[in-house]
Parts: sequence; C-alpha cells; structure tokens
Amino acid sequence: EDKVVQSPLSLVVHEGDTVTLNCSYEVTNFRSLLWYKQEKKAPTFLFMLTSSGIEKKSGRLSSILDKKELFSILNITATQTGDSAIYLCAVNDNYGQNFVFGPGTRLSVLP
Amino acid sequence: EAGVAQSPRYKIIEKRQSVAFWCNPISGHATLYWYQQILGQGPKLLIQFQNNGVVDDSQLPKDRFSAERLKGVDSTLKIQPAKLEDSAVYLCASSLGTGANTGELFFGEGSRLTVL
Repeated sequence: EDKVVQSPLSLVVHEGDTVTLNCSYEVTNFRSLLWYKQEKKAPTFLFMLTSSGIEKKSGRLSSILDKKELFSILNITATQTGDSAIYLCAVNDNYGQNFVFGPGTRLSVLP
Repeated sequence: EAGVAQSPRYKIIEKRQSVAFWCNPISGHATLYWYQQILGQGPKLLIQFQNNGVVDDSQLPKDRFSAERLKGVDSTLKIQPAKLEDSAVYLCASSLGTGANTGELFFGEGSRLTVL
C-alpha cells in the first residue's frame, strides 16, 4: 500500500526564519511528487517533482526530490505570516490512478 | 478559467440523515476525484472517475456512500445514513489528463459536513 509520511507535523517559527519540511514516501511505480499549500480552503498547487536532484523554485519556496532515498524537502526562506498554512505532500503512481496524501505539516509563522 | 465548483460549502445534519454534495470540475478535465479530509489529517481518496467510469472506489464505504458522474462532467456524492465519524471536509478535485498524463490536481473549496 502506498504511503506518505511528513515531518514535522507541526512547526512554529518567527517571521524571517527559514524552514524545511520533509516528505518521505513508499509507492510502487512512482511517477511524481506534489506539494500543496492549504489555508482555510482548497489546497493550492505549489510544485510537481518527477526527477531527482532538480530543484524547483518559486520565489521564497523551493523543493527537491531524491528518488533514491525516497524523500522530498520543501524549503521556505524568509518566512512571512502569510506562509502560515498546512503543507501537503502527495505522490502519484506511474499509472496516474491515484494521489496519496501525507498528513500535512501545519506551519505557523509568528510576527 | 473557472475553477472546480462545489456546493454546499457547509452542511450540518443529525446522524442517520442523508446529505448530498455536488461538484463541477474544470471544463475539459477528464478525471474527477472525491476526497475526505478529517480534521488534522491529509485528504483520503473516496472515489476517482475517468470520464463517467469509476477508476477506483476501493476506499468508499459503499454501505452508506454513493457517487455518480453520469454524463462525465459534474458529480454528486451522497451519504445515507450519516454517522458522526463522517464529519469532515469533502474535497472535489479534477485533473486534465488520464493515466500517466494526469498532471496535477485542481481542488474545489470543499464542503464541510458536521454530523451531530
């Protein structure tokens, strides 16, 4: 059975700090790993990673995948209060049949 | 481009009552998903449609949950009778492609169900 584990489950930081969120997975026929940000409503897409070692970057957010060690990290630099959210990691198998989600990391950024 | 539409946004019912949720995916998206997200947990797949056919409903509690996507566009998810543990946010999502060309998921804002 496909499985996604995220750590930490909860994190409290102050504005300006840098945070690293972790996602490890077990999936047969891995195809992609996705990161989503969930505030009070629908999860919004951040990144899709398919290849090891290639960093994806968007502003202060970046992510990288290690297919050998079966994990990904999401980095957020110079955090702002608007980064407070739940960050979800999901994996998709090679058949594209399902997206399995982890429990999420709840990030709170204090002013 | 219009996003994934869901209704109602909120619903409060008593246990053993029934409820229905509606979802209209992004136009042209072949694949539609219903996820259940219990507070503090990640979304869990209930059912996945590709056009109007069911791809995966292995985690759908079929004794009380049903879903359909008759014309391959919008979809309804029904719960009858509801239990306390069904209190959750029901997220609908869609994706453009199918199989290995699925791409990312686009989510609706969810329907929050409270069962008293």
